[in-house]
Amino acid sequence: RKEVEQDPGPFNVPEGATVAFNCTYSNSASQSFFWYRQDCRKEPKLLMSVYSSGNEDGRFTAQLNRASQYISLLIRDSKLSDSATYLCVVNQRGSTLGRLYFGRGTQLTVWP
Amino acid sequence: GAGVSQTPSNKVTEKGKYVELRCDPISGHTALYWYRQSLGQGPEFLIYFQGTGAADDSGLPNDRFFAVRPEGSVSTLKIQRTERGDSAVYLCASSRERGWPQHFGDGTRLSIL
Repeated sequence: RKEVEQDPGPFNVPEGATVAFNCTYSNSASQSFFWYRQDCRKEPKLLMSVYSSGNEDGRFTAQLNRASQYISLLIRDSKLSDSATYLCVVNQRGSTLGRLYFGRGTQLTVWP
Repeated sequence: GAGVSQTPSNKVTEKGKYVELRCDPISGHTALYWYRQSLGQGPEFLIYFQGTGAADDSGLPNDRFFAVRPEGSVSTLKIQRTERGDSAVYLCASSRERGWPQHFGDGTRLSIL
């Protein structure tokens, strides 16, 4: 079983739509949680960290449910420039701290 | 620039050859990581350096893969006797310390013919 599971999509939504991505992680020792964004043939870039209380950054809202080992990302008022692959990422406590575990990514296309 | 720099950006070679991939991390970052990303997949961890030493090399797939960071800055990933299955994008990342946010380079796209 993979450490991080994501629905690969693709999600195709019109501009202005609200879209939500989910992922689950298998190791309860996971300590830190992130969403990365990756454009086609480019490197992953940190979009936002995910905190236990939930956090928001403009149009993006991230949620964490430790009991269910579930992470979500909500994008409101989608823009064309949001089209990318969104990677769910976790970091574990202990000896593997620093090693990031990535989901396979969820592909989003926003159309005009 | 101030970001992570990887060279070459593309490498095409024949099966069985030896390749070296280079990573120049952000200045002052003590932690350096190598990942490999296959098409349609997320990056997979290979090895992590804290300073000059490999603190975690458990992601290296086999003994054909080796990495060094002799002076605690630039790192080289070395692949011997390359196989077609080694074709992937090899990503390097660095962070200020272990556990801090990681910043990725553009990657080296390796193709084994």
